[in-house]
Amino acid sequence: DTGVSQDPRHKITKRGQNVTFRCDPISEHNRLYWYRQTLGQGPEFLTYFQNEAQLEKSRLLSDRFSAERPKGSFSTLEIQRTEQGDSAMYLCASSLAPPGGGVPSFFGPGTRLTVL
Amino acid sequence: AQSVTQLGSHVSVSEGALVLLRCNYSSSVPPYLFWYVQYPNQGLQLLLKYTSAATLVKGINGFEAEFKKSETSFHLTKPSAHMSDAAEYFCAAGSNYKLTFGKGTLLTVNP
Repeated sequence: DTGVSQDPRHKITKRGQNVTFRCDPISEHNRLYWYRQTLGQGPEFLTYFQNEAQLEKSRLLSDRFSAERPKGSFSTLEIQRTEQGDSAMYLCASSLAPPGGGVPSFFGPGTRLTVL
Repeated sequence: AQSVTQLGSHVSVSEGALVLLRCNYSSSVPPYLFWYVQYPNQGLQLLLKYTSAATLVKGINGFEAEFKKSETSFHLTKPSAHMSDAAEYFCAAGSNYKLTFGKGTLLTVNP
């Protein structure tokens, strides 16, 4: 078990381009979470999955954002037509669902997105 | 809506001194409460959690936090700081899937 991994670690893109990030959770974890962190702020909840089902989406997740977890394992987060305001660290985490689990114990290292 | 306030964006202590990081939450119903730590160049790691059992919660690395409903507080303490405790600490409140984080407190430990 190597923990939660995210790819890429850094992404620089031009405004208007599409980007996709990948998260690989801890293998036995059935829950996967996406958060976003901007400079000087704590992480903000974006969405979470239990197995392949996306159970909640934050209002922060505009129509330009889409997340998938097609086989209940890895997840992707796509941002279409990026804007400078999308620049942030995108964090992924995983956990078991209750009653055996709950909130994540570990987050991945994050993908830092810079939109020029 | 829940909100979490961490008093002090930067706390500096001497090695061996008491560490006290403050966290207040705003909620009509006491939520679950958590402290996470982020060491340099690493992801967030859960330090401890309060889920309505004992009000004094012990976590990893000698940290503990006390839930005080009357003060809507969940302050993090450690009796004696080590150099290795230097990190950013985040308080969070929420349910078992959705967390609201504070802005974080950067802890510096001086030799």
